[in-house]
This record gives sequence, structure tokens and C-alpha cells, in this order.
Amino acid sequence: TQLLEQSPQFLSIQEGENLTVYCNSSSVFSSLQWYRQEPGEGPVLLVTVVTGGEVKKLKRLTFQFGDARKDSSLHITAAQPGDTGLYLCAGEKLVFGKGTKLTVNP
Amino acid sequence: GAGVSQSPSNKVTEKGKDVELRCDPISGHTALYWYRQSLGQGLEFLIYFQGNSAPDKSGLPSDRFSAERTGGSVSTLTIQRTQQEDSAVYLCASSLDSVLSSYNSPLHFGNGTRLTVT
Repeated sequence: TQLLEQSPQFLSIQEGENLTVYCNSSSVFSSLQWYRQEPGEGPVLLVTVVTGGEVKKLKRLTFQFGDARKDSSLHITAAQPGDTGLYLCAGEKLVFGKGTKLTVNP
Repeated sequence: GAGVSQSPSNKVTEKGKDVELRCDPISGHTALYWYRQSLGQGLEFLIYFQGNSAPDKSGLPSDRFSAERTGGSVSTLTIQRTQQEDSAVYLCASSLDSVLSSYNSPLHFGNGTRLTVT
């Protein structure tokens, strides 16, 4: 069974700080997706990474897929209160991590 | 266009009763997925449909859970003889193609049904 471990589980920071969250597995994935979920809503896709070593940027968010395609990271620069939410990674076999709950305080 | 619609948005039921949760996927999406999310937790995969057939039922927690999809569109998730541990948010998602065949088919989620079993 493929498992995705996300860390940290909770993160509370001040507006303007930078942060990185991680998604790790012992299994190789052909692709990996990052979603953000806000309270009372379903997750919304942020990005899909496919190639080992790939880096994708979405405004202040930078996503990286590990060379061995077993891990990924999400880095947020100058976090804003609007970034608050649950960040989930998912592998192509419908496996989701437990998420990182991010709170950005004004 | 309309997104994935789930109903009801909230359901409170007594232990032992049966419940039906409904999902209307995005028109034209061939794949449909059900997940369960306990408070603040990640998503637990339950079942997915490709068209009207369910190739993977491995995630259903017990035989009290069943799901069907008709006309390649609407799906219902039925929980019989509900238990308190069934309390959770049940999320439905759809995608244009199965994620097992194409990574270019992201999941589009509904807002979920919050089920509370008292």
C-alpha cells in the first residue's frame, strides 16, 4: 500500500514569513498533486508534478518533485492570511496524505 | 459551468438508520470518486467509478457501505445501520478521465456532506 506522509501536521506563522511543507513516501509515484482545502469546502487542485526534479511556481508558491519521485515540497514565500488552509498531497493511485494545516496570522 | 454538487450538505441521523448521500458530477466527467474525511484529517479513499462500473471497491470500510452510479452521471453512497464512527465529511469528486490512466485528469471536488450519527 502506498502511503504519503506529510509534515508538519500543523503550522502557525505570521504574515510575511516563509515556510516549507513536505510530502514523503517510500514508494515511487509517476505523478503527485497538491491541493488546498478551506473549511467547509472540497480540496482544490494547485499543481501536478510529473518529472523527477521538476520545479513549478504558482505566484508565491513553489512546488518541487524529488529526483527519485518519492517526495515533494511546497514552499510559500511571504505568506498571507489568504494562504490559510489544509494542504494535501496526493499520489496517482488515489492516495492522499493527512495534510498540513497552515494558519497565517495577520 | 456547474461544479460537483453534493446533497444534502448536512445530515444528522440516529444510530442504526440508513442514509443516502448524493453526488452530481461535472457533466461529461467519466470518473467519479468517493472519499471520507474525518475531522481535520486527510482523505480516505472509498470507491471510484469509471462510467457506471466500480473497478476498485477496496476502500469501502464494511459491507454496510455501498455505492452505485447510474447513467454515467449521478452517484449515491448508501450507509446502512449507521454507527457513530461513520460520522465524517463525505466528499465526492469527478474527473474527465480516470486518474489511473491520465495524470492530466485532476479531481474536482464537491463541498461534501457532513454526516453526524447520534
